[in-house]
Amino acid sequence: QQQVKQSPQSLIVQKGGIPIINCAYENTAFDYFPWYQQFPGKGPALLIAIRPDVSEKKEGRFTISFNKSAKQFSLHIMDSQPGDSATYFCAASIQGGSEKLVFGKGTKLTVNP
Amino acid sequence: NAGVTQTPKFQVLKTGQSMTLQCAQDMNHNSMYWYRQDPGMGLRLIYYSASEGTTDKGEVPNGYNVSRLNKREFSLRLESAAPSQTSVYFCALRTGPTYGYTFGSGTRLTVV
Repeated sequence: QQQVKQSPQSLIVQKGGIPIINCAYENTAFDYFPWYQQFPGKGPALLIAIRPDVSEKKEGRFTISFNKSAKQFSLHIMDSQPGDSATYFCAASIQGGSEKLVFGKGTKLTVNP
Repeated sequence: NAGVTQTPKFQVLKTGQSMTLQCAQDMNHNSMYWYRQDPGMGLRLIYYSASEGTTDKGEVPNGYNVSRLNKREFSLRLESAAPSQTSVYFCALRTGPTYGYTFGSGTRLTVV
């Protein structure tokens, strides 16, 4: 059973566009929702994270929108750049205890010049 | 990736061979994890360790064993490698609720 569903699998935008990646979760006990960015040949790196007590969080050009009632959250990249081309993973976990992260399947983003 | 070191970076095994993937941290955190990454499958948890001397199964533990003999190191062992274990393996360290996980740079394993 896939606990975090991510879409789309791949996304191509032009420089300056606003790619949006969506995730949906099933377990209402999840209380921590990070996004990771991965470049080819590298390990994933934490990009931004949100907790369910807020509906939006911004860090630079990256914004997470969170809809607790719909059990959905999304990543928006404002003014996207070719350097943003990477694979993005959403994830979820329950804070406290082992805090295992459950990942979505990833979205490969390509930003064309 | 600073703080988490994985060795080797690349490995080719023949079916039935065994090997151990090594992971070491220099950040003094308790929780460590092994994930595998396959195309279109995202990252799937193999095993994790909440502290020195403790380990527990994740989503896809079959065919693997782990060892956490001290706080610094968490190793993943394939006793009898199978082609289905061809993957990229990542070790991760939980660096806190705000900082999430720090991942190593990965081990690309091919089983032929």
